[in-house]
Amino acid sequence: QQQVKQSPQSLIVQKGGISIINCAYENTAFDYFPWYQQFPGKGPALLIAIRPDVSEKKEGRFTISFNKSAKQFSLHIMDSQPGDSATYFCAARGSQGNLIFGKGTKLSVKP
Amino acid sequence: SQTIHQWPATLVQPVGSPLSLECTVEGTSNPNLYWYRQAAGRGLQLLFYSVGIGQISSEVPQNLSASRPQDRQFILSSKKLLLSDSGFYLCAWSVLGVVAFFGQGTRLTVV
Repeated sequence: QQQVKQSPQSLIVQKGGISIINCAYENTAFDYFPWYQQFPGKGPALLIAIRPDVSEKKEGRFTISFNKSAKQFSLHIMDSQPGDSATYFCAARGSQGNLIFGKGTKLSVKP
Repeated sequence: SQTIHQWPATLVQPVGSPLSLECTVEGTSNPNLYWYRQAAGRGLQLLFYSVGIGQISSEVPQNLSASRPQDRQFILSSKKLLLSDSGFYLCAWSVLGVVAFFGQGTRLTVV
């Protein structure tokens, strides 16, 4: 119940294309859903986040879509750029404030 | 502004040696503090979290321990390292309502 399942494990997208990463959860007590971007050798950095009472949040080229009834959420990266190449983690916040992470998606954007 | 310091950045230690990784947070009070481990190519595993001085919760049984001697200081320790302790260790913090922010990580190699 504490798991967050993330797919795909890896993703290759052409420059200018749309990158889509999906996550699913079971625990309805999760109350916040952030996405993190991690470059090699660095700590993850908060990218964008959403609360479960919102169905979509957009910040620049990054959009989170949230489906509460299906217990799924996804990250869309529009007009993907080579600089977006990184590993992306979805997460869900539990009642203690601790984050449960997905296993990550390695995104490669080809020029 | 809030910052998090984590050191050292890299560490090579022999099997059986002790370990001490330190993390300090600046610019905030009463943060929740976390230690995560990230194995190569894998997701983030929560090791310990702390909601206050001297309060430590362990998520998984392991060869490691954590301590919080001051409000903004979090230490990860081991008395005798194992090969399986190798990984990328990340300290993170959050304040109620604010999602976790990560340090730059420590790459530990046990040889």
